[in-house]
Amino acid sequence: QVQLVQSGAEVKKPGASVKVSCKASGYPFTSYDINWVRQAPGQGLEWMGWISSYYGNTNYPQKFQGRVTMTTDTSTSTAYMELRSLRSDDTAVYYCARASRYSGNLDWGQGTLVTVSS
Amino acid sequence: DIQMTQSPSTLSASVGDRVTITCRASQSISSWLAWYQQKPGKAPKLLIYDASRLQSGVPSRFSGSGSGTEFTLTISGLQPDDFAAYYCQQYNSYPWTFGQGTKVEI
Repeated sequence: QVQLVQSGAEVKKPGASVKVSCKASGYPFTSYDINWVRQAPGQGLEWMGWISSYYGNTNYPQKFQGRVTMTTDTSTSTAYMELRSLRSDDTAVYYCARASRYSGNLDWGQGTLVTVSS
Repeated sequence: DIQMTQSPSTLSASVGDRVTITCRASQSISSWLAWYQQKPGKAPKLLIYDASRLQSGVPSRFSGSGSGTEFTLTISGLQPDDFAAYYCQQYNSYPWTFGQGTKVEI
């Protein structure tokens, strides 16, 4: 069965960077894209960007451009999301999702809590 | 960016009720719309894609309809397991955007 297993919770200071991993299994990794979505405490879902697992090209919303980098390692079927210059309002649960251009976010990781606090 | 507006924000219902949630897009998204269910402390789960296609394994009491800018998610015969938050998302164009969510409570 499809599984997306994310790395563990992180606590970071303002200005630091965080890199979250997402290891996929149960499907051909390069046949689907990966989306990253975050959810601040008590808030809704926010799309952070997309990476093609096959080509490696990305698309980020303007809000995160210059601060986020998404990558994949096809040899280990793992996707990564790095967010830099962290602020307190970046405190959120970060999710990866297996995505299809034709059916949205099919399967989701369990989420990684990133807490930004001095 | 395409704005997605869901209504209502909160919905109070009882077991057995028929429940409808609406999602409006700020411009046409054809049928590129998905609905997700999220329970507290859990990741979202895909219910409906392509506006009306039921994801494998999702109970048939969930249904979706609409195209263009107006969409609905209907739960026919609300079950105790259905009390959760529901989100729509457009994937017609980047950035993919979510509605603000609808909480279905008892």
